Amino acid sequence: QQQVKQSPQSLIVQKGGISIINCAYENTAFDYFPWYQQFPGKGPALLIAIRPDVSEKKEGRFTISFNKSAKQFSLHIMDSQPGDSATYFCAASGATGGGNKLTFGTGTQLKVEL
Amino acid sequence: DGGITQSPKYLFRKEGQNVTLSCEQNLNHDAMYWYRQDPGQGLRLIYYSQIVNDFQKGDIAEGYSVSREKKESFPLTVTSAQKNPTAFYLCASSGTRRRLSSNQPQHFGDGTRLSIL
Repeated sequence: QQQVKQSPQSLIVQKGGISIINCAYENTAFDYFPWYQQFPGKGPALLIAIRPDVSEKKEGRFTISFNKSAKQFSLHIMDSQPGDSATYFCAASGATGGGNKLTFGTGTQLKVEL
Repeated sequence: DGGITQSPKYLFRKEGQNVTLSCEQNLNHDAMYWYRQDPGQGLRLIYYSQIVNDFQKGDIAEGYSVSREKKESFPLTVTSAQKNPTAFYLCASSGTRRRLSSNQPQHFGDGTRLSIL
């Protein structure tokens, strides 16, 4: 079964610090790697996404770093704020003719403390 | 506003009962998906549909059924055969058919929490 492994399971960061969440995948056919943010009782919301033709993508305080040879990608949240406290999921999909199916990591609960 | 509406927000099922979760989207998306979310397990795909009147099983389809009679609607039935139905159920949609190959982002509703009475 295709897998995306995510770590850490939980993370506590001080306000203003950098939050880093890592993911690793196995299927080399994956060509789309989104990150989702989920608040309690809500559905996940797309945060940022990257394709393997670039090594880094930045949107505001959020950056994805992508290492194709290592089959790893990570989310960096700069200047972390208490409002960033949420669960973050990495995911991956490939245009393999089976539809736009996403394989999700198991999630990271981020808490940003004052 | 365009989006995905899931109802009800909370649902309770009695033993031996089938229950149906509603998912409606007004994003004009061709593809729709149902996921199950359990604590510490991320999101697991139950069923997905790329076009009206067609759907495929995901990774955990046993005990569930779906229909796709309209582009806007993709209801999920949790049957009595699903022995552990307590979970948070999420519906998503993505893309337009001509752009499915480019991995359009999935947009999620706010979920239905199902519990057993």
